[in-house]
Amino acid sequence: QSALTQPASVSGSPGQSITISCTGTSSDVGSYNLVSWYQQHPGKAPKLMIYEVSKRPSGVSNRFSGSKSGNTASLTISGLQAEDEADYYCCSYAGSSTPVVFGGGTKLTVL
Amino acid sequence: EVQLVQSGAEVKKPGESLKISCKGSGYSFTSYWIGWVRQMPGKGLEWMGIIYPGDSDTRYSPSFQGQVTISADKSISTAYLQWSSLKASDTAMYYCARLNSGSYYPTGAFDIWGQGTMVTVSS
Repeated sequence: QSALTQPASVSGSPGQSITISCTGTSSDVGSYNLVSWYQQHPGKAPKLMIYEVSKRPSGVSNRFSGSKSGNTASLTISGLQAEDEADYYCCSYAGSSTPVVFGGGTKLTVL
Repeated sequence: EVQLVQSGAEVKKPGESLKISCKGSGYSFTSYWIGWVRQMPGKGLEWMGIIYPGDSDTRYSPSFQGQVTISADKSISTAYLQWSSLKASDTAMYYCARLNSGSYYPTGAFDIWGQGTMVTVSS
């Protein structure tokens, strides 16, 4: 079970949109609509931002959206704000024996 | 309020044992999987394993199988992560988190997180 692949870093200016990719395999991302995304600010616990590929928990801004195509999932943040600067992790269900796999994380910098 | 509250920071020596805890409240503890996640200093999230407190069904990441033990005491709504012999490389922040599937199947996302327990292993 290998970690999902994310870019190490992305950046954007306030008001712009950015997309973070998350590439897995046909055994995880490609087989299940069970991709989730987490935001983590320094020194804080992760926070769920997207689940089941594109659903937003109550209280999460609609500037955050998720999608999936084949073995790759994506998180898009529109109207970038300074507070969005954080680390982002994707996660996928990978079967009943080892059901969880995380991505390596992406550091988002708001310029 | 649904929450997970973890035990406090620990400082241990190599070779010592340790058990940290994660207490759930505000929901049916036995109906949701609880996972443990490691974050080494400056590094990413690593899934260690999950447990279903209803019957203690446990699944481990291959990377952590045999290295740690996950357990739960449903009578006090608490999950545990334990080591029998710590190593310096176990120094990390450890988070517990609830899977939101609300069923016996370990699907879903981690919707509720504990505040984390920092474990430092140093001679």
